[in-house]
Amino acid sequence: SAVISQKPSRDICQRGTSLTIQCQVDSQVTMMFWYRQQPGQSLTLIATANQGSEATYESGFVIDKFPISRPNLTFSTLTVSNLSPEDSSIYLCSVEGERGVTDTQYFGPGTRLTVL
Amino acid sequence: AQRVTQPEKLLSVFKGAPVELKCNYSYSGSPELFWYVQYSRQRLQLLLRHISRESIKGFTADLNKGETSFHLKKPFAQEEDSAMYYCALSVSGTYKYIFGTGTRLKVLA
Repeated sequence: SAVISQKPSRDICQRGTSLTIQCQVDSQVTMMFWYRQQPGQSLTLIATANQGSEATYESGFVIDKFPISRPNLTFSTLTVSNLSPEDSSIYLCSVEGERGVTDTQYFGPGTRLTVL
Repeated sequence: AQRVTQPEKLLSVFKGAPVELKCNYSYSGSPELFWYVQYSRQRLQLLLRHISRESIKGFTADLNKGETSFHLKKPFAQEEDSAMYYCALSVSGTYKYIFGTGTRLKVLA
C-alpha cells in the first residue's frame, strides 16, 4: 500500500487568510483525492486531482475556494482560500489503491485546520 | 440517491461479546463496499472490502443486496477493536467514495 504524508499536520489560521496543504505519496499514482471531515461529521469528497488535467470538483465545492495543484504523479496541494470559521475541519488526501482489482483508497494522516 | 447510512453513532460492548456495526446503502448500480477503521491518533485505514470476502482481525462483512446492507461483525470483541468505523461505497468507475457518518465502537473490559 502507498505511504502518504501531509503537511502541515495542523494549523490555526486567521479569518480571511489561506492555507495550503501538501500531500506526498511514496509511489506514482494517477488519482489523488481531497476530502473534508467537519467536526462530528463524515468524510466528504472535495475533488479528484489527476496529473495533467484540471481537478474535478464535487457539488458544493469550487475552484476559487479550493484551488488544487497536481504537478506530478506523487504530489498534490489543496489550498483553502479566504478562510472562515466554517472551514475548520480535517482535510485528508487519499490515493487510489490497486487498479483493476477494486476501488481501494489509501488515506493520509489528515491536516487539522482551525480558523479563528 | 447514493447514500450510506450508519445508524449508530456509538456502540459499546463488553470484551468477548459479539459485535455488529450496521451499514445500509442506497445505490442504483452494483455496489462496491468497504469498511474503514480509524484507531485513536492513527489514520484512516482499510479494514476489509466486500469483493475480497476476507476476514481481517476477526471481522467479516457480508453484502446483502436484498436488504441493501453490509454489516460488520465480529464474534468476540477485543479491547483493541475500540475505534471509529466507517462504511464506504465506491461509485462504479469513478473511484469516488461515499462515506457513512461512522460508528464509534467502545469495547469495555
